[in-house]
Amino acid sequence: GENVEQHPSTLSVQEGDSAVIKCTYSDSASNYFPWYKQELGKGPQLIIDIRSNVGEKKDQRIAVTLNKTAKHFSLHITETQPEDSAVYFCAATIHPRGGSYIPTFGRGTSLIVHP
Amino acid sequence: SAVISQKPSRDICQRGTSLTIQCQVDSQVTMMFWYRQQPGQSLTLIATANQGSEATYESGFVIDKFPISRPNLTFSTLTVSNMSPEDSSIYLCSVAGGGDYEQYFGPGTRLTVT
Repeated sequence: GENVEQHPSTLSVQEGDSAVIKCTYSDSASNYFPWYKQELGKGPQLIIDIRSNVGEKKDQRIAVTLNKTAKHFSLHITETQPEDSAVYFCAATIHPRGGSYIPTFGRGTSLIVHP
Repeated sequence: SAVISQKPSRDICQRGTSLTIQCQVDSQVTMMFWYRQQPGQSLTLIATANQGSEATYESGFVIDKFPISRPNLTFSTLTVSNMSPEDSSIYLCSVAGGGDYEQYFGPGTRLTVT
């Protein structure tokens, strides 16, 4: 089955700096890669995703890149703000599986943005 | 995106008892999922629940321990049976989005077993 490795486990930055979280996956058939943000006491929130036919996607201060050859994808957050502090999870999946997808999640990165 | 609510938001339960967690969605969805998130850990899928059929359980999870109901397209329940302290976790309900790619999560139920 799919295996997703996520690094680093903890990332501490100063406000205004950039933050990069990296994930690798094992199954070359995976074709959908979402990122989730989980704030303390809340459920994971989908913040951005990328499909295998795209190399990069941006949404304001957040971007995701995908390298299918190397089987890795990354989340980039620019101009970080204290409210970006949360745990971020990457995931990889093969779609479709049974009409919908069931992702394999990374272990999470705790991002701390210091004011 | 779907709006998902869960009840209870948190509970403290005695060893050996059972707790039923409810998940309500604001729109009809075909597939609902139940996850477990142990403290400081990632998300582990417990089962997939389709309306009108038996839930499909992932390896390591069994129906006797985690019975699931899916009576209609907007509601599901997960029961954690005969609880032990090892069952202390966050239990999350999620649904597939309209495009079947996106997956949305509820706020979670924080369970502590003493």
